[in-house]
Amino acid sequence: AQSVTQLDSHVSVSEGTPVLLRCNYSSSYSPSLFWYVQHPNKGLQLLLKYTSAATLVKGINGFEAEFKKSETSFHLTKPSAHMSDAAEYFCVVISSSGYSTLTFGKGTMLLVSP
Amino acid sequence: ETGVTQSPTHLIKTRGQQVTLRCSSQSGHNTVSWYQQALGQGPQFIFQYYREEENGRGNFPPRFSGLQFPNYSSELNVNALELDDSALYLCASSFAGDTYEQYFGPGTRLTVT
Repeated sequence: AQSVTQLDSHVSVSEGTPVLLRCNYSSSYSPSLFWYVQHPNKGLQLLLKYTSAATLVKGINGFEAEFKKSETSFHLTKPSAHMSDAAEYFCVVISSSGYSTLTFGKGTMLLVSP
Repeated sequence: ETGVTQSPTHLIKTRGQQVTLRCSSQSGHNTVSWYQQALGQGPQFIFQYYREEENGRGNFPPRFSGLQFPNYSSELNVNALELDDSALYLCASSFAGDTYEQYFGPGTRLTVT
């Protein structure tokens, strides 16, 4: 079965500094991976997705993630944090067992200080 | 284009009661999935509906049931509520040909006392 592990429950950065949110995956075959963001009192929003095309994936709001098969990782990065980036981020793998469902990591809360 | 909507926003129920949560899919989407998000956790898959039939189910007991209607809106029903059912319930719609992209509603916050 596919699964993802988010290595940090909380990450704190200062505005204008780089963001790194770490995710490792476990899959018996080449997975499809996603990052979702959840702002308070708002629905989950898709940031970016990897579906076995280019290994460096660009998403919305300046985020990007790199799929590294050798390290079974799919870390999310952003060169410069903005206050509005403060939210919870979920690394997600899609499971295909006759139907496609999303398996979420436990989430990483990103805190951005001025 | 209308996004995914859910009702109600918040709900308080007593242990043992039954609850119905509702979801309207995004226009053009024919598949709906429900997720339970406990406090401090990632969402967990409950079940998925396609063409009014349950298409897949996660590790949830039968007292969690659902319906999908011809207009692709959906209901989640939970019987015999337990305290551990307190959570944010999320609905996500997608198109069967591209279930990789699921669009989430804002959720219903259920509190069981």
